[in-house]
Amino acid sequence: DADVTQTPRNRITKTGKRIMLECSQTKGHDRMYWYRQDPGLGLRLIYYSFDVKDINKGEISDGYSVSRQAQAKFSLSLESAIPNQTALYFCATSDLGGGEQYFGPGTRLTVT
Amino acid sequence: KNQVEQSPQSLIILEGKNCTLQCNYTVSPFSNLRWYKQDTGRGPVSLTIMTFSENTKSNGRYTATLDADTKQSSLHITASQLSDSASYICVVSSFNAGKSTFGDGTTLTVKP
Repeated sequence: DADVTQTPRNRITKTGKRIMLECSQTKGHDRMYWYRQDPGLGLRLIYYSFDVKDINKGEISDGYSVSRQAQAKFSLSLESAIPNQTALYFCATSDLGGGEQYFGPGTRLTVT
Repeated sequence: KNQVEQSPQSLIILEGKNCTLQCNYTVSPFSNLRWYKQDTGRGPVSLTIMTFSENTKSNGRYTATLDADTKQSSLHITASQLSDSASYICVVSSFNAGKSTFGDGTTLTVKP
């Protein structure tokens, strides 16, 4: 089984809808991250969490919120989806700051 | 501001040829530098990691170099294969920050 899983893998939603992307990991890592990637561009950090009680904004957090339900679970929510949030979203984990990040398979989100 | 610049943005080579990708960074204080490979539509996977004291690190046909004085790194791919077609991302971590700085990546296309 994969160490980092994301659900759903693909999602199409309409403008204004609330949507949640979920991430689970079995690596036992404390640190978890959410990134988005637009076509032809690099990864941009949305939110990151160093442990269950620690949540930090990344460089593009506007329009997003997160919840760290447990060490193994980190969810990303779009409160009111808009078309420019159409992107590929990745969850990642690491055991240390600067340590290798292990990425999930990604969620392809389309907002119409 | 911590930055990571990669060049070229994209590269096309013929199968069997060698190539070199570049990464310049301004991240300080430096902790480590990783190169990741990202296949289309998938999450990145770590290829190599180098700390301050390391100049060269190899992983099969991939060889990374680091010049901490000039804050430059390169990733050399020898005898390229079609499966090397991917985006290669340079990621630099700082001792102070809990998160890493990602470059935008170099998209490599290997043609038969």
